[in-house]
Amino acid sequence: GAVVSQHPSWVICKSGTSVKIECRSLDFQATTMFWYRQFPKQSLMLMATSNEGSKATYEQGVEKDKFLINHASLTLSTLTVTSAHPEDSSFYICSARDRTGRGGYNEQFFGPGTRLTVL
Amino acid sequence: KQEVTQIPAALSVPEGENLVLNCSFTDSAIYNLQWFRQDPGKGLTSLLLIQSSQREQTSGRLNASLDKSSGRSTLYIAASQPGDSATYLCAVRDDYKLSFGAGTTVTVRA
Repeated sequence: GAVVSQHPSWVICKSGTSVKIECRSLDFQATTMFWYRQFPKQSLMLMATSNEGSKATYEQGVEKDKFLINHASLTLSTLTVTSAHPEDSSFYICSARDRTGRGGYNEQFFGPGTRLTVL
Repeated sequence: KQEVTQIPAALSVPEGENLVLNCSFTDSAIYNLQWFRQDPGKGLTSLLLIQSSQREQTSGRLNASLDKSSGRSTLYIAASQPGDSATYLCAVRDDYKLSFGAGTTVTVRA
């Protein structure tokens, strides 16, 4: 149980194009989902927190117009990297919190990640 | 702002040796601390979660301790195996988010 999927698992795009990454909770409903970015040999950095049906909350230094987050349902959140540039190349990981509190302590369940390469 | 540090950054041991991974954090006002495993190019696998009121958690060959007052946690892996080779991340949860360390990359030599 508590499975989170991401699609695609990897994507290569040209500079200037937009890329959408999906995060789905497969066997639970998630009122809150989180988006992280991880550069090689570095820790995961929280980019934004998305709550179903409301606007995402972005961490300091993250451009909300560049990283568009939509959490339209209790099982799906999307991250769109707009006008991507090579410096946006990274590993993007989402996580989801079960609305019923499974895990007992508001535990986050993580997706497998999406490798984005911008040429 | 919470800062999480993991030392060492990398560790190589022969098979069968016990592993000791360290994690320290600057703000002791945490809800819990979690240890994860990450294989190359993959997502995170949760290993152990310790609540702030707990001192340790155990699962199989894994044992994690937490000293909240000193801002430290240690992950012990007994009798290491080549399959334990991975990057281990610790993360602390404060009011609403997880703050991660950069990880310790472990190589277990057969």
